[in-house]
Amino acid sequence: KQEVTQIPAALSVPEGENLVLNCSFTDSAIYNLQWFRQDPGKGLTSLLLIQSSQREQTSGRLNASLDKSSGRSTLYIAASQPGDSATYLCAVRGFQKLVFGTGTRLLVSP
Amino acid sequence: EPEVTQTPSHQVTQMGQEVILRCVPISNHLYFYWYRQILGQKVEFLVSFYNNEISEKSEIFDDQFSVERPDGSNFTLKIRSTKLEDSAMYFCASDKNSGVSTDTQYFGPGTRLTVL
Repeated sequence: KQEVTQIPAALSVPEGENLVLNCSFTDSAIYNLQWFRQDPGKGLTSLLLIQSSQREQTSGRLNASLDKSSGRSTLYIAASQPGDSATYLCAVRGFQKLVFGTGTRLLVSP
Repeated sequence: EPEVTQTPSHQVTQMGQEVILRCVPISNHLYFYWYRQILGQKVEFLVSFYNNEISEKSEIFDDQFSVERPDGSNFTLKIRSTKLEDSAMYFCASDKNSGVSTDTQYFGPGTRLTVL
């Protein structure tokens, strides 16, 4: 059974810092990995999707990497801003369903 | 940009009542999903639906739950007799899923279900 873990559970940084969020999964037989952002009480916004054959994907200040063989992904956020404050979820895809981690709650202070 | 929509945004019901949660997936998408998130817990998969059939379901999705695509645009989740533990945020999602499982799943804003 696929298990997804995210470390750290919470992170507080001052504005402008670069930061790394970690995601690990137990079964490397995945089709892709998605990173989502969730604001309190809100839905899930897809940030990046990395296919199982890819090593990394970039969108603006976000860069996600994937090492399928070791069951790890990282989300790198450059030059963090207060508007980046949210919970970040990673999810790995089997054939259809996504299996989610518990998330990292990020607070960026001005 | 097309988006998944869900109604209502918040539903309050009494234990034992039936509820229907509604979703309008993105129009050219073929696969539809329901997930739920109990407060403070992980987002959990409930069911996937394709070509008017359930294609995969989780252990959570028991006989109390059913899904339907009643017309060309709506996708519904019915809970027949709600329990206190059904209180959660329910998310609908959709993707094109051309059969290669490489697509992005797009999520709706969620329906918060409160069972009293």
